[in-house]
Amino acid sequence: KAGVTQTPRYLIKTRGQQVTLSCSPISGHRSVSWYQQTPGQGLQFLFEYFSETQRNKGNFPGRFSGRQFSNSRSEMNVSTLELGDSALYLCASSLAPEFIETQYFGPGTRLLVL
Amino acid sequence: GIQVEQSPPDLILQEGANSTLRCNFSDSVNNLQWFHQNPWGQLINLFYIPSGTKQNGRLSATTVATERYSLLYISSSQTTDSGVYFCAVRQGGSEKLVFGKGTKLTVNP
Repeated sequence: KAGVTQTPRYLIKTRGQQVTLSCSPISGHRSVSWYQQTPGQGLQFLFEYFSETQRNKGNFPGRFSGRQFSNSRSEMNVSTLELGDSALYLCASSLAPEFIETQYFGPGTRLLVL
Repeated sequence: GIQVEQSPPDLILQEGANSTLRCNFSDSVNNLQWFHQNPWGQLINLFYIPSGTKQNGRLSATTVATERYSLLYISSSQTTDSGVYFCAVRQGGSEKLVFGKGTKLTVNP
């Protein structure tokens, strides 16, 4: 069974641009969560989705948004990029919220904002 | 919100040595997990351990929920154990994980 896949793996953008990252969960998994990892702030929760509904959102500005499609794939979008948005963005999937102990992480997308 | 503190922040070992990593949390939790992040950034689930003790090969973990701490033991360490070890907790019914800052482990040959 294929793991969680994230595309693209690496991305370079300039300030002011916008970016869309994609996450495909493990087949059969319907719950997707996103995290941002930076050297200064560590791993921080962005949002979680289940059955196309956002269940929870972390403390990030409105420039960060996401969605989940009917096939459980998820995208996150960051508009008006800032230098501080440079980070590793990790996606995780699980069967459903009640199976949280079986959450698997993808390899991440490394975003560099110049 | 809940605070998660890990110690030590850095640990350097010789191959074959044993180590103990600690995770303290400031409030009651209904889930605690240990992860290993390899040098390429991949996070791997090690243990789901809200309470009690579990073992998986050379790794074992113990969580004492009433005293709000968890320990990860690594025995006979190998160079492939190098990386960052994270403790993460959940509260309530959310899937939101709150991570500690991690312990960076370096195992030298």
